[in-house]
Amino acid sequence: EPEVTQTPSHQVTQMGQEVILRCVPISNHLYFYWYRQILGQKVEFLVSFYNNEISEKSEIFDDQFSVERPDGSNFTLKIRSTKLEDSAMYFCASGGTTEITGELFFGEGSRLTVL
Amino acid sequence: GEDVEQSLFLSVREGDSSVINCTYTDSSSTYLYWYKQEPGAGLQLLTYIFSNMDMKQDQRLTVLLNKKDKHLSLRIADTQTGDSAIYFCAEDGGYNKLIFGAGTRLAVHP
Repeated sequence: EPEVTQTPSHQVTQMGQEVILRCVPISNHLYFYWYRQILGQKVEFLVSFYNNEISEKSEIFDDQFSVERPDGSNFTLKIRSTKLEDSAMYFCASGGTTEITGELFFGEGSRLTVL
Repeated sequence: GEDVEQSLFLSVREGDSSVINCTYTDSSSTYLYWYKQEPGAGLQLLTYIFSNMDMKQDQRLTVLLNKKDKHLSLRIADTQTGDSAIYFCAEDGGYNKLIFGAGTRLAVHP
């Protein structure tokens, strides 16, 4: 069964460093997403990506964040200069092939720890 | 703005029914969803309900929707230890996004 894969599973970084989280979505999916969950809090929408551009982003997704789908398979989230409050589990998801608009397939997550 | 609220923890005895509740704010959601997250795994769609339905049954799962009160519930009959997980309620923002609650951790004990 096809699945969404994410790397790394856990990354520890120093404040101010750049981080790239990688995702391989399911190949025939059309929409790609990043969500995050700070420990004990809600799963928060960050950004959606369709047709090679951002279709919607939340207020969390400021200039420090960017997304890219460089080669048609990988979907990356870059955090330019990490802050302590960026520590969270980051989930990649893909979907958009059925009329059930919220039927998303999630990866296992990348845990980011900023020291 | 859009918001989804759910209680954070539920403990039930094996074999009993579990009921997980959720309130949401966006009355225009086409669908409402329940996602399940098992330890070490990503979120997985468990079930969903179309907004013009009051109830949906799927084997041991029953979803109830009260649109007037913007209340969604998930009932798991004959709860098993394998049902122990975090359950997320979500409202529909269209293809562009889902709005999730914080998740309800279900603990099943013998």
